[in-house]
Amino acid sequence: GQNIDQPTEMTATEGAIVQINCTYQTSGFNGLFWYQQHAGEAPTFLSYNVLDGLEEKGRFSSFLSRSKGYSYLLLKELQMKDSASYLCAVSALGTTGTASKLTFGTGTRLQVTL
Amino acid sequence: DAGVTQSPTHLIKTRGQQVTLRCSPISGHKSVSWYQQVLGQGPQFIFQYYEKEERGRGNFPDRFSARQFPNYSSELNVNALLLGDSALYLCASSLAANQPQHFGDGTRLSIL
Repeated sequence: GQNIDQPTEMTATEGAIVQINCTYQTSGFNGLFWYQQHAGEAPTFLSYNVLDGLEEKGRFSSFLSRSKGYSYLLLKELQMKDSASYLCAVSALGTTGTASKLTFGTGTRLQVTL
Repeated sequence: DAGVTQSPTHLIKTRGQQVTLRCSPISGHKSVSWYQQVLGQGPQFIFQYYEKEERGRGNFPDRFSARQFPNYSSELNVNALLLGDSALYLCASSLAANQPQHFGDGTRLSIL
């Protein structure tokens, strides 16, 4: 099976930097995704890591270490609109090798304050 | 370009009834996945379809079934509805099975 852990809640100040960690255990690892979900809305794709290292996309960066089963999402220059849940999701190949099952963590609820 | 579209947006059913949810993927996407999300939890994987074949199934009872059509749209069917089936049902599409998935706005299903 798969197990994904991320903090339940975090609070940060507008303009600051926040790092949301995610640890996972899985077999057949095929990639790690980060999604943003505002209350009452669908998840929105943020980033995708399949190899070790840092992927940067504007104010958002995501890091992956496959050997440690660890990822983080870094948000810079926080804005009030960044208040949302951030979901870590791990993709693993199915037994046929042709399909990927995406397993989500419970999400980290980030509150950005003034 | 249109994103993933789902219908209906909201639905109210009673226990024991059956429901069909519909999803149209982003144009060019051949993989469609279904998820169930209850309040305070991350989405739970139900099914993945690719090229009209089931490629993955999560830990859901046989009351849940799905199919994908030649135009890559998909339907999720749930029979003998239970109160615990009340949730947001999300559809996501991707170019291929292991590519980033893009979600529709979901169907909020309430069981009375």
